[in-house]
Amino acid sequence: LAKTTQPISMDSYEGQEVNITCSHNNIATNDYITWYQQFPSQGPRFIIQGYKTKVTNEVASLFIPADRKSSTLSLPRVSLSDTAVYYCLVGGPRGNQFYFGTGTSLTVIP
Amino acid sequence: GAGVSQSPSNKVTEKGKDVELRCDPISGHTALYWYRQSLGQGLEFLIYFQGNSAPDKSGLPSDRFSAERTGGSVSTLTIQRTQQEDSAVYLCASKIPGLLYDTQYFGPGTRLTVL
Repeated sequence: LAKTTQPISMDSYEGQEVNITCSHNNIATNDYITWYQQFPSQGPRFIIQGYKTKVTNEVASLFIPADRKSSTLSLPRVSLSDTAVYYCLVGGPRGNQFYFGTGTSLTVIP
Repeated sequence: GAGVSQSPSNKVTEKGKDVELRCDPISGHTALYWYRQSLGQGLEFLIYFQGNSAPDKSGLPSDRFSAERTGGSVSTLTIQRTQQEDSAVYLCASKIPGLLYDTQYFGPGTRLTVL
């Protein structure tokens, strides 16, 4: 079971780009990397998923180097509503993605 | 509804009592997960169901915890002889495994308080 390591917390000002890096040294060949966002009193929700290189959607970008031992979630021009906890998971399509870890608590400052 | 639902939303119980928490997954989702989240902490995996396969119970913290999934749909998490350290939010998630983007869809959780 691939475990992940993330910074516990980060602060950013509104309008800045935020990059959160996750380490997953034991990632397996078939594992994907998935990021979730969790607001207080809510369950986590999916942000983005990737296998290698770069993935971009309307919310974020995900950068994955060639060795796949880490990944970086990039949030462009954050706003106060992006204040949340961000979790990085690794796992395969069989469904065994369930190590959320402690996540990164992002606080966006006005 | 289209999402994962959980009941009750809040449960207060006395130490030593048994509790049952319910999860209704999204229709058609064959994979179901239970997690526990203590105040200010990350998610702790408890148990995973996939179709008719034997569940992965590797995350259950003690034999006081058990879960069932009837008919491949609704799941019940049971905690026997509750302790104060069981106080947490219990989250359920479901998904369709094997898809390229295998997103877990989470319910709102059940907040359990053991007095």
